[in-house]
Amino acid sequence: DAEITQSPRHKITETGRQVTLACHQTWNHNNMFWYRQDLGHGLRLIHYSYGVQDTNKGEVSDGYSVSRSNTEDLPLTLESAASSQTSVYFCASSEGTSLVTDTQYFGPGTRLTVL
Amino acid sequence: TQLLEQSPQFLSIQEGENLTVYCNSSSVFSSLQWYRQEPGEGPVLLVTVVTGGEVKKLKRLTFQFGDARKDSSLHITAAQTGDTGLYLCAARNSGYALNFGKGTSLLVTP
Repeated sequence: DAEITQSPRHKITETGRQVTLACHQTWNHNNMFWYRQDLGHGLRLIHYSYGVQDTNKGEVSDGYSVSRSNTEDLPLTLESAASSQTSVYFCASSEGTSLVTDTQYFGPGTRLTVL
Repeated sequence: TQLLEQSPQFLSIQEGENLTVYCNSSSVFSSLQWYRQEPGEGPVLLVTVVTGGEVKKLKRLTFQFGDARKDSSLHITAAQTGDTGLYLCAARNSGYALNFGKGTSLLVTP
């Protein structure tokens, strides 16, 4: 069965370190998204991609970067981790054939703690 | 960015009770989606509503899209413990990325 996976599921790092969170989907979807989820803020969009070599900034992109070298993967990099980036990160993918009915499929999330 | 306001923020009820949660905005949507998120997991799509006034039913869950396509509601009949979770409404500004409300956290106790 097609799926979307994230790794690691839990990560503890120190302020200033570079961290990369992996996202891999086997749906062969064009679109991929990264969100962060925080109490009181809900899910907020960090970056997204509509295809290979395409990346776009979302609402809270400062301090994060992504690259899309193939259809299956969209890794999220925190260039220099900050305590404000402690959060739960979700990756999602979607087929991208209808703006009205497009469904996003979410991974299980990565809980990141920055000390 | 269109703002989606959900209410109530928290809801604790007993099994068998009915409940309604709301998603409101000042913007008009081409469509609106409801997702449910269980602890430790990612959100899962429940329904997409497209037409103003549309009502969709999913077993004990009834979803309604407002006539003006600015608001939506989710009604659960005879809630069960398995309905416990975070209910999120979402809509698109432009493109495929979603803008989410902050969610309604529902706890159903035996």
